[in-house]
Amino acid sequence: QKEVEQNSGPLSVPEGAIASLNCTYSDRGSQSFFWYRQYSGKSPELIMSIYSNGDKEDGRFTAQLNKASQYVSLLIRDSQPSDSATYLCAVNPYAGNMLTFGGGTRLMVKP
Amino acid sequence: DVKVTQSSRYLVKRTGEKVFLECVQDMDHENMFWYRQDPGLGLRLIYFSYDVKMKEKGDIPEGYSVSREKKERFSLILESASTNQTSMYLCASSYTGRGLAKNIQYFGAGTRLSVL
Repeated sequence: QKEVEQNSGPLSVPEGAIASLNCTYSDRGSQSFFWYRQYSGKSPELIMSIYSNGDKEDGRFTAQLNKASQYVSLLIRDSQPSDSATYLCAVNPYAGNMLTFGGGTRLMVKP
Repeated sequence: DVKVTQSSRYLVKRTGEKVFLECVQDMDHENMFWYRQDPGLGLRLIYFSYDVKMKEKGDIPEGYSVSREKKERFSLILESASTNQTSMYLCASSYTGRGLAKNIQYFGAGTRLSVL
């Protein structure tokens, strides 16, 4: 059973809309949660981190964490074609220094 | 800014060759990781290291070995390259200590390896 699950997509949204990306995880003791963006042919880059329940906003990005339900989401407001990429959810389990990555959701923002 | 540098962006090797992929980070991070990424399979951890000369197997270590002689450098070795090792290889590093920066992984640009 995969420990971090994401819908592979593609998720297609029109320019200017809100894109909503979701991720569920199995390790109830997970401590920290990250969203990475990966453009085609490039390496992942960190866009958001979240550590406690609730919302965390950074510009057009909002990360939401619900530990009781074991999900984390990323909202992208006013989506732009330049947001088209694969978004990876990563979770740090209770013990250890590793991250467990989901398979990624491919987002397509259409002009 | 954290910088993780991988020695090559593209590499073409022959079956049976010994291949070295080098990774250097400049942030004094304790942890370093090697992943491979293939379409539809996501990121898969090959090996990681949490200290100099220390290494741990990841999910797919077969056919690979690693070396960490200095804190800033982590090398991935393909002892005898095979065509099924054609892939994108990504190196990452992270900080172990306290604080919000803990466990954030920073990635190098990647090495696209083709084994013919």
